[in-house]
Amino acid sequence: RKEVEQDPGPFNVPEGATVAFNCTYSNSASQSFFWYRQDCRKEPKLLMSVYSSGNEDGRFTAQLNRASQYISLLIRDSKLSDSATYLCVVIDTSGTYKYIFGTGTRLKVLA
Amino acid sequence: GAVVSQHPSRVICKSGTSVKIECRSLDFQATTMFWYRQFPKKSLMLMATSNEGSKATYEQGVEKDKFLINHASLTLSTLTVTSAHPEDSSFYICSAAGTGNGETQYFGPGTRLLVL
Repeated sequence: RKEVEQDPGPFNVPEGATVAFNCTYSNSASQSFFWYRQDCRKEPKLLMSVYSSGNEDGRFTAQLNRASQYISLLIRDSKLSDSATYLCVVIDTSGTYKYIFGTGTRLKVLA
Repeated sequence: GAVVSQHPSRVICKSGTSVKIECRSLDFQATTMFWYRQFPKKSLMLMATSNEGSKATYEQGVEKDKFLINHASLTLSTLTVTSAHPEDSSFYICSAAGTGNGETQYFGPGTRLLVL
């Protein structure tokens, strides 16, 4: 089983739709999680951290489910500019702060 | 804040030459820098972790003599791809983590290397 797993997609959704991605992780001791966004041929950019209580930033909501070992990202009112690959990141628990990346989920928002 | 630059943004070189890539944290001090490579439609693969003033820690399967990493200051790390071959062609991305919150990594814009 991979340490961090994501559905690669692509998810094709119309503008204005709500879309959700999940990401599962295998290490139950994991404490820190992020969602990054990566545009084609660009570097990843931090979208949001994921807090235990869940957190929201505008149209984006991130949640953590420790019991089932997954994190989720919800995007409301999708915009064309949301089209990108969304990378789930779990921080390694050995104290090195290494990132463990999921393979990414591709989102395409259609006009 | 938290800007990381990389230079060059793209490079084309002949097989057998060495290529140096610089990664700089512009507005913060980076105790740790990470080097990744990414193949098309794949996720980032960590190559090595670099701490200022000490030797880099390489991931399994990454040749330290081929990918030389130097982290001479809190704002600069370099990756040198020695005796490059076509299979080294890839997108190389660095990231930097600051002294405040060591968890969050900020990524450079990447260097696209093509070895002919």
